[in-house]
Amino acid sequence: EPEVTQTPSHQVTQMGQEVILRCVPISNHLYFYWYRQILGQKVEFLVSFYNNEISEKSEIFDDQFSVERPDGSNFTLKIRSTKLEDSAMYFCASSEEARRGYTFGSGTRLTVV
Amino acid sequence: RKEVEQDPGPFNVPEGATVAFNCTYSNSASQSFFWYRQDCRKEPKLLMSVYSSGNEDGRFTAQLNRASQYISLLIRDSKLSDSATYLCVVAATGGFKTIFGAGTRLFVKA
Repeated sequence: EPEVTQTPSHQVTQMGQEVILRCVPISNHLYFYWYRQILGQKVEFLVSFYNNEISEKSEIFDDQFSVERPDGSNFTLKIRSTKLEDSAMYFCASSEEARRGYTFGSGTRLTVV
Repeated sequence: RKEVEQDPGPFNVPEGATVAFNCTYSNSASQSFFWYRQDCRKEPKLLMSVYSSGNEDGRFTAQLNRASQYISLLIRDSKLSDSATYLCVVAATGGFKTIFGAGTRLFVKA
């Protein structure tokens, strides 16, 4: 079964540092997403990406965050100047169509110390 | 009112029981609806999409009531492996932005 791959599985970074979280969506999918889940809390939408541009973003997705699809397979989330409250599980997801359900990757656990 | 609201749970049921989860959403322009399950410290996994006419997949039945802005999930003949958190997910027009409910925890016991 096709899957969404995320690396690394766990990242520890110092406050103020920049991190890049990487995702390889399912190859024939056209819609890509990032979500985060703070421990014990609900899954929160960050951003959706289609046709090489952001299609929707949440209030959480401020200037600290950016996304990129640098080549035909990778989809990255960059977090600049990380804060303690950025510690969370970050999930990448992809879908064939916007209205279909999404396939999630297994997540990157980001710990900011 | 929360954008997507679910029964807080937890639900504790014996094997073989039937259990129902409810979910309400606030945005009447919402277009797409899903149920996901999430095991502890794992990624959400799509259980089923929810269609206006209602739909069934084996032991799982989903219903949508647009007038009441209400979604339900019924699980029949519960299995131990059904123990998980069930997430109600709603997408606005276009489907680009999805809102997750906080989830309902289900424990199925032998």
